[in-house]
Amino acid sequence: QMQLQESGPGLVKPSQTLSLTCTVSGGSFSRGGYYWSWIRQHPGKGLEWIGYIAYSGTTYYNPSLKSRGAISIDTSKDQFSLNLSSVTAADTAVYYCARVRATTSAYFDYWGQGTLITVSS
Amino acid sequence: IQMTQSPSSLSASVGDRVTITCRASQSISNYLNWYQEKPGKAPKLLIYAASNLQSGVPSRFSGSGSGTDFTLTISSLQPEDLATYYCQQTYSTPWTFGQGTKVEIK
Repeated sequence: QMQLQESGPGLVKPSQTLSLTCTVSGGSFSRGGYYWSWIRQHPGKGLEWIGYIAYSGTTYYNPSLKSRGAISIDTSKDQFSLNLSSVTAADTAVYYCARVRATTSAYFDYWGQGTLITVSS
Repeated sequence: IQMTQSPSSLSASVGDRVTITCRASQSISNYLNWYQEKPGKAPKLLIYAASNLQSGVPSRFSGSGSGTDFTLTISSLQPEDLATYYCQQTYSTPWTFGQGTKVEIK
């Protein structure tokens, strides 16, 4: 059974860079046909897709991030990471990592439990 | 692509048939997924590609639609279906979610 687990600082100061890591276990991280993605949920709000990375390293980011996001992958550790620069209080949210099955369609079939990130001085 | 769900919330009794609607701002073929989010838990995939039931999901859940209009139906509402339901389009990036429909049990 595939499992994803987010890890991060919990609290980040405004203007700093938020760094999150997602560790994948219980499945083949290197199989084709999958992307690895980040999603966030602001307190009491809906879901916002942040972006994805393919095993090859190809990335796509939601333009709503205004070029502040960077997703990387470490295949040796079965991990992928999100760096979000110049954070503000508006980046306070629960951050989820997820696997995207990308065949004829794309859908998020495995999710991490989520980690709350608070941006505050 | 903007996704609009209706209603925003509903209250129904155990055993009721519940229908949630999702409308896309442009045609998305069948690139539409449904997720269930229970309080304090991560979202869970219910339906992918508009009408395909994810493995392990109870058969009382079903999805239909194509183009711009989609529905998620719970044929017989159960107490454990208390949750917020989201639709999502993956027809074009950026992938977007609906605002959610909160289902409460009377």
